[in-house]
Amino acid sequence: GQQLNQSPQSMFIQEGEDVSMNCTSSSIFNTWLWYKQDPGEGPVLLIALYKAGELTSNGRLTAQFGITRKDSFLNISASIPSDVGIYFCAGDGGGGSNYKLTFGKGTLLTVNP
Amino acid sequence: NAGVTQTPKFQVLKTGQSMTLQCAQDMNHNSMYWYRQDPGMGLRLIYYSASEGTTDKGEVPNGYNVSRLNKREFSLRLESAAPSQTSVYFCASSEFSGRREVFGPGTRLTVL
Repeated sequence: GQQLNQSPQSMFIQEGEDVSMNCTSSSIFNTWLWYKQDPGEGPVLLIALYKAGELTSNGRLTAQFGITRKDSFLNISASIPSDVGIYFCAGDGGGGSNYKLTFGKGTLLTVNP
Repeated sequence: NAGVTQTPKFQVLKTGQSMTLQCAQDMNHNSMYWYRQDPGMGLRLIYYSASEGTTDKGEVPNGYNVSRLNKREFSLRLESAAPSQTSVYFCASSEFSGRREVFGPGTRLTVL
């Protein structure tokens, strides 16, 4: 099946620093999604990307759909303590009426105040 | 709108006991999913239902059964719980398969 490689697995940063994480796949995806999971909660959608090359922002978050359609990037600028959590990428590879999302294993972000 | 609701929020079982995790959504979504989340393993799909009346196995279906009761509700049953099923279980739904999924708050299950 399709697999997503998400990196890094974890990050420890100081408040105010910028953060970058990415997901790569050996397969082409039609949609890329980025979710955030706060401690003790379910994942919440941050950004959705639908076209190769698309760059979309949501406040301090910016995500890009890679030109090859095999990768996506998420950047967080000027991190704050509430950015702490697990960030998941997810992709939709298409392929029929029963296709479903594939999730990366997540990036655990810790922000030191 | 409540979105996706899950009950119970916490549960402790003994090995061999059975239980059903309940999930409901009020967004008129067609597709629903059950995931488990373990440390370092990300979200692993247990079962999904692309539409009312259909269910399919995901990545880790062994030891579980599901029922798509109606368009709103999708339950997950553990017939004979094992310690390896200690996990956090998330239900999710989407308008159609492969579209953005909305997650519930999770059920934290411990099997002793």
